[in-house]
Amino acid sequence: GQNIDQPTEMTATEGAIVQINCTYQTSGFNGLFWYQQHAGEAPTFLSYNVLDGLEEKGRFSSFLSRSKGYSYLLLKELQMKDSASYLCAGPPPGSYIPTFGRGTSLIVHP
Amino acid sequence: GAGVSQSPSNKVTEKGKDVELRCDPISGHTALYWYRQSLGQGLEFLIYFQGNSAPDKSGLPSDRFSAERTGGSVSTLTIQRTQQEDSAVYLCASSLGVPGVGTNEKLFFGSGTQLSVL
Repeated sequence: GQNIDQPTEMTATEGAIVQINCTYQTSGFNGLFWYQQHAGEAPTFLSYNVLDGLEEKGRFSSFLSRSKGYSYLLLKELQMKDSASYLCAGPPPGSYIPTFGRGTSLIVHP
Repeated sequence: GAGVSQSPSNKVTEKGKDVELRCDPISGHTALYWYRQSLGQGLEFLIYFQGNSAPDKSGLPSDRFSAERTGGSVSTLTIQRTQQEDSAVYLCASSLGVPGVGTNEKLFFGSGTQLSVL
């Protein structure tokens, strides 16, 4: 399947900026998703990138570099409610069904 | 309905018993996915349904797992002779159309069924 790698855990301070990185297998690239999952809840869609560059959506932005097999999710003006797991996902070569990384658990503290 | 609905929300069963998990996707969504999530693990793909096409069963871990989707809507995931390693949260998701290159076919997830096999 798609080889998706992201850090297991990150901590940050309320009001700060945090960048969550994701690397993936570049061959047969079919787009990259980011989802947010609060503890005990379902994942919810945050962003989708298929072209290189930065896509901004309010406090959340997502960046993609296809040549490097690299993406990041940028969260600005962190709030306590941003404490959640952030899942990077992309289809493996030859498929369009998203494979998910293990997720990055973000802890925001006061 | 307003979102993807799954039932039951929690299921406790004894090793060796069969279980059925139900998923009701968003009305009009043609694609339906089953994933499972074990503690501290990522989402593991199980099976994918698209319209009337044959399902993609490539993620099913063993022949004890099966799923069907009746009338292009409700789906049931069946696990026969459950084992303790089957304990996980089983998540169902649906999307409006067919995933493809350059298309944002985002998945809408249900709240999942927490399965515990004793």
